[in-house]
Amino acid sequence: LAKTTQPISMDSYEGQEVNITCSHNNIATNDYITWYQQFPSQGPRFIIQGYKTKVTNEVASLFIPADRKSSTLSLPRVSLSDTAVYYCLASYNDYKLSFGAGTTVTVRA
Amino acid sequence: GAGVSQSPSNKVTEKGKDVELRCDPISGHTALYWYRQRLGQGLEFLIYFQGNSAPDKSGLPSDRFSAERTGESVSTLTIQRTQQEDSAVYLCASSLGGLAGVHDNEQFFGPGTRLTVL
Repeated sequence: LAKTTQPISMDSYEGQEVNITCSHNNIATNDYITWYQQFPSQGPRFIIQGYKTKVTNEVASLFIPADRKSSTLSLPRVSLSDTAVYYCLASYNDYKLSFGAGTTVTVRA
Repeated sequence: GAGVSQSPSNKVTEKGKDVELRCDPISGHTALYWYRQRLGQGLEFLIYFQGNSAPDKSGLPSDRFSAERTGESVSTLTIQRTQQEDSAVYLCASSLGGLAGVHDNEQFFGPGTRLTVL
């Protein structure tokens, strides 16, 4: 059964880099990997998306190895406002999506 | 511009009653998605619409759940004979053309409908 898995939680301190790795062993060949951020009582919000190698935007980087069976979201120099749940998303066929269970990132002062 | 809207924002119902949840996607977005999120848990994918068609309905939890979309716009998720385990936040999202992830499309989420079944 295709499944997207990620760590349940991670703790960090302000100014540190946070790296969250997601496993998606059976990802569809042509599918992108997407990461979302969710704050309490809000819908998820897009962070970054990639297909392979490395993608960087103004808030994060995404590293995807050649076999694409995993991906790592990197949040540089986190602040207290980065405390949230982070979800990895992949698809395993043309009509279904699989979100990971979410990683709760807690940033402390 | 306007984002994805959902109504009602909160719904309290009694066990056994039917409920209808509504989603208004961003104008021009052809893809629409429904998810269920139980308290403290991740997002459970329910169904995807491309235009008015749902190619695969097997993600719906039971035959009490149904969804439709009309005019490539509004979608409704209907839950018949609600049970207490149906209590959750139901999230809707939309994206420009194609299944998000397969076709490099970002999903825009609504605020959700919080359903409580007593």
